[in-house]
Amino acid sequence: DAKTTQPPSMDCAEGRAANLPCNHSTISGNEYVYWYRQIHSQGPQYIIHGLKNNETNEMASLIITEDRKSSTLILPHATLRDTAVYYCIVRVASGYSTLTFGKGTMLLVSP
Amino acid sequence: NAGVTQTPKFQVLKTGQSMTLQCAQDMNHEYMSWYRQDPGMGLRLIHYSVGAGITDQGEVPNGYNVSRSTTEDFPLRLLSAAPSQTSVYFCASSSLYEQYFGPGTRLTVT
Repeated sequence: DAKTTQPPSMDCAEGRAANLPCNHSTISGNEYVYWYRQIHSQGPQYIIHGLKNNETNEMASLIITEDRKSSTLILPHATLRDTAVYYCIVRVASGYSTLTFGKGTMLLVSP
Repeated sequence: NAGVTQTPKFQVLKTGQSMTLQCAQDMNHEYMSWYRQDPGMGLRLIHYSVGAGITDQGEVPNGYNVSRSTTEDFPLRLLSAAPSQTSVYFCASSSLYEQYFGPGTRLTVT
């Protein structure tokens, strides 16, 4: 699986959009971009994934650049409960494969 | 639908003791895995299974054994606990596109 690079920490004011970047310049054509988050002391939680088109669900939006070398996870209206470590992971989606977790981005949402 | 359950939530062992961390899922997933997480680090894969009767090693398998006799259960065994195994352990169950994680077991080995 390709490696990813994320900033170690970010701050966001409550109610504002949180934009979390991720670089994955060595991503292969058959690899998806996945985002998970881990709230303190809990198991990681799936957020969203995409291949090359932008994706949106009830939790977040995922914007992938045209060359697929980077992506941005957007939490449109961050709340205090969104404070967590966010992991960007690339992996093949054909069949089962493991997730390789890096250190992620610690997002702190403040009042 | 309970998802992924893990027991116990907390455990303290003495060096050399053995124990089994339990993991169960009710989503009929074939793929299950065990991770450990140490302070300030991401999750590291210990063992995984692609179906009943099939297991394989991950990144940090030493000191751990697994078996998969049913689709639902994937226990992790520590045969002789060491202080280096003090960690938080997460079990996960996967569909093709998503992994679902359990709440974790906090293990301390003294």
